[in-house]
Amino acid sequence: QVQLKESGPGLVQPSQTLSLTCTVSGFSLTSNSVHWVRQPPGKGLEWVGAIWSGGSTDYNSALKSRLSISRDTSKSQVFLKMNSLQTEDTAIYFCTRGTAHWGQGVMVTVSS
Amino acid sequence: DIVMTQAPLSVSVTPGESASISCRSSKSLLHSNGITYVYWYLQKPGKSPQLLIYRMSNLASGVPDRFSGSGSETDFTLKISRVEAEDVGIYYCGQLLENPYTFGAGTKLELK
Repeated sequence: QVQLKESGPGLVQPSQTLSLTCTVSGFSLTSNSVHWVRQPPGKGLEWVGAIWSGGSTDYNSALKSRLSISRDTSKSQVFLKMNSLQTEDTAIYFCTRGTAHWGQGVMVTVSS
Repeated sequence: DIVMTQAPLSVSVTPGESASISCRSSKSLLHSNGITYVYWYLQKPGKSPQLLIYRMSNLASGVPDRFSGSGSETDFTLKISRVEAEDVGIYYCGQLLENPYTFGAGTKLELK
């Protein structure tokens, strides 16, 4: 069945770079899009960006200058890198297959 | 960015009764291909969001037919018939028409 699992550091220092991995199973990255969505504690959902089946990417314009999404199809993994982190980036980060299937999310706290 | 406005922010429902949640978009979500790109999600307490309705009126796999979606180009409704205890959580509408994808602030459904 379709599964996605996020992994990465729970704590990142301000101004540093966040690196997250989404490991998927049950579907092919070359046939499906994977999106990243984040949710600050107690708040709503914010779309971060996506990598499409062909490998092209789209980013939320508010984050575009700090964001990179890539993938390794041989390992069924999608990567998110966001630099210059600030406290406002503290959130649960979800990866999702076209928003139909979601990972459990990973909590990222930006703090010194 | 397309703004998604949900109402009400919270709703209290007696089990077995029905509930409706409204969502309005700041721009038409009707694509030239005839598809309306509005989606509905439920986030149960402590869980990841789950897709309920896609493309305005299509029931996602495994979702009970007590859920239904309808609407026009900018005004949308999620209806839940015969509310059950498992329906408690926060409901989000979202638009996947254009970048950046955006979500409503959420509607919290509680039981009376």
